[in-house]
Amino acid sequence: AQSVAQPEDQVNVAEGNPLTVKCTYSVSGNPYLFWYVQYPNRGLQFLLKYITGDNLVKGSYGFEAEFNKSQTSFHLKKPSALVSDSALYFCAVRDIAGGSYIPTFGRGTSLIVHP
Amino acid sequence: GAGVSQSPRYKVAKRGQDVALRCDPISGHVSLFWYQQALGQGPEFLTYFQNEAQLDKSGLPSDRFFAERPEGSVSTLKIQRTQQEDSAVYLCASSHYRGQETQYFGPGTRLLVL
Repeated sequence: AQSVAQPEDQVNVAEGNPLTVKCTYSVSGNPYLFWYVQYPNRGLQFLLKYITGDNLVKGSYGFEAEFNKSQTSFHLKKPSALVSDSALYFCAVRDIAGGSYIPTFGRGTSLIVHP
Repeated sequence: GAGVSQSPRYKVAKRGQDVALRCDPISGHVSLFWYQQALGQGPEFLTYFQNEAQLDKSGLPSDRFFAERPEGSVSTLKIQRTQQEDSAVYLCASSHYRGQETQYFGPGTRLLVL
């Protein structure tokens, strides 16, 4: 079975400060991990993914995420937040061992960047 | 080329009415997914197609929900005898098969059942 948790419903950060949006996962095998962003009345947009290789993944719009196998985490980070980063962020996981192509999404974290 | 498109963007239905939601995936994408997103929640899996074959429909909440992709491109999600609890945003996503894990999402159809 696969599951993902986003422990924070909302994250508030001042513009220019670093931001972190947390994600932890549970799989029986090895994970594929994803971050998506959703703006109001829009579908989800892909930010970045971890499949294999370097634990630090760089994605769109200056975002990055670090895969930590021992802590089963995949936190999303950005060194300097912008007001335009304010949106809903979703973490997703797929268990490679499961044999399914279906990812499980977290409940989402609302990021609010204050001017 | 164009991204994933969905129509209609908004649908208001009376309880008991049948509705049909359309998804046009990215050209050439083999895999197609339907999700249901309730307010304040993440997308919940409904069904998955590989070309025209429906390989997984384990997420469909009842036999009132039916999906098809007869020619392996456009897909339709049909909900019969709609209920108020069907009110949600229905998202469609497509991806390459075995070539790319990334799913590309459409803007969604917001369904409101009165």
